[in-house]
Amino acid sequence: AQTVTQSQPEMSVQEAETVTLSCTYDTSESDYYLFWYKQPPSRQMILVIRQEAYKQQNATENRFSVNFQKAAKSFSLKISDSQLGDAAMYFCAYRSAKAGGTSYGKLTFGQGTILTVHP
Amino acid sequence: EPEVTQTPSHQVTQMGQEVILRCVPISNHLYFYWYRQILGQKVEFLVSFYNNEISEKSEIFDDQFSVERPDGSNFTLKIRSTKLEDSAMYFCASSVLSGGYGYTFGSGTRLTVV
Repeated sequence: AQTVTQSQPEMSVQEAETVTLSCTYDTSESDYYLFWYKQPPSRQMILVIRQEAYKQQNATENRFSVNFQKAAKSFSLKISDSQLGDAAMYFCAYRSAKAGGTSYGKLTFGQGTILTVHP
Repeated sequence: EPEVTQTPSHQVTQMGQEVILRCVPISNHLYFYWYRQILGQKVEFLVSFYNNEISEKSEIFDDQFSVERPDGSNFTLKIRSTKLEDSAMYFCASSVLSGGYGYTFGSGTRLTVV
């Protein structure tokens, strides 16, 4: 079974600075997808960024980028120019790409990292 | 932008009562999911649903739980006899394909069992 680990329960950053959230995962599969979700105090789950494992290029969405290290099974999220609105819980998640696999379609989440942004 | 709609936003129920949580997925989506999040903990998979049947379920999804898509638009989660430990945020999600697309999550239903 796949597992996702976020080793930082809490992180903080000054507004306009850069912060990196860590995520590692364990899988025996070679084809999969990785995601970062943001959960603000409203508790809605918002997709921030996704990465296909077969792509070597790191995904980028505006101020959000990832550092995907497939061999190390590491998938960190970098937030540049942090804003007050970035304050939230961030979840890393894994999804198998294998058709018919036991975890196909299912998202496996890490424990989450609470990000605080200081003005 | 299309949304996944969940109702109610908050439900309080007595232990042992049945509850039905409702979701309206995005209209052209084919895959539907329920997740739960106990306060302060991680989001856990409950069940996935495709082509009018359960495609996968977790150990949490025991005989007390059931899902239904009764009319082609609503997707419901029923808990037959609620326990205190069922108190959690329940998220519905849908996806147009089963590939690497991120889900669209609903805003959740907070279930409180007293």
